Amino acid sequence: EVQLVESGGGSVQPGGSLRLSCAASGFTFSNYGLGWVRQAPGKGLEWVSSIRHSGGTTHYADSVKGRFTISRDNSENTLYLQMSSLRAEDTAVYYCAKGNLPTGGTARGMDVWGQGTTVTVSS
Amino acid sequence: QSALTQPASVSGSPGQSITISCTGTSSDVGGYNFVSWYQQHPGKAPKLMIYDVTNRPSGISNRFSGSKSGNTASLTISGLQAEDEADYYCSSYTSSSTPVVFGGGTKVTVL
Repeated sequence: EVQLVESGGGSVQPGGSLRLSCAASGFTFSNYGLGWVRQAPGKGLEWVSSIRHSGGTTHYADSVKGRFTISRDNSENTLYLQMSSLRAEDTAVYYCAKGNLPTGGTARGMDVWGQGTTVTVSS
Repeated sequence: QSALTQPASVSGSPGQSITISCTGTSSDVGGYNFVSWYQQHPGKAPKLMIYDVTNRPSGISNRFSGSKSGNTASLTISGLQAEDEADYYCSSYTSSSTPVVFGGGTKVTVL
C-alpha cells in the first residue's frame, strides 16, 4: 500500500523550531517529487514547499522562505521539513504529499497524502 | 503569489450537474495545462481528482471532469451524489518563484 506518515508536530512558542518527518512506503521514493502543504484552522490549503526527486531542486512559499528547509533522504524513504523562527500564523495541519508523475515535482498534482501533523505556535 | 479565485460555495440536487470555476492569470492557469483539482472531506486529507486539466487518476469516477478556457479552469461533477459533498480546491503550476498556487476552495453542498 502506498503510504505517507507524518510525525513531529506539536506545540511550540513563537520563535521556536520544529522538524517534521514524513515516512514513505509502497512506492519507489527516489523517483518522485514531494511536497508539504498546510491548512490553518478553518482555512484553505496552502502550498508550502517542494523538492524534486533527486533532492537537487527545492522551492518555498514566500511566507516561509528563509525560515523553513525541505530535505529528503532517499536511502531512508523520508521527507523532512525543518521549521525555525516559527510564528503564530504557521499554526496549521501540515500534510506531506507525493508528486503524481515520476521525476516531476508536485505542480502536476499530488496523488498521495499523509494524514497530517498539527503544528501549534503559541505563547 | 495570489491564490486562484474560486466561488465560496456551489450547491445542487442529487443527480444534477454542477461546475466549479477556478480563475487565475496567464502566469498560471492560462499559461500551462497543469491544473489539478482536489476533494477534501472534513477532517480528512485532500484527494486528487483531476490533474493536467482533464486527466483523472486511476479509481476516480468519470462523473468528475475538468476543462479550461483562457485563464479559467472548471471542474464539473455530473450525477451529483451525497458523497460528493465536500470542499474542492484547484491548483496550478505558476511561473512565479513559487511553482504551485491553490485556489481558496469551494464548498459543495448536495441539497
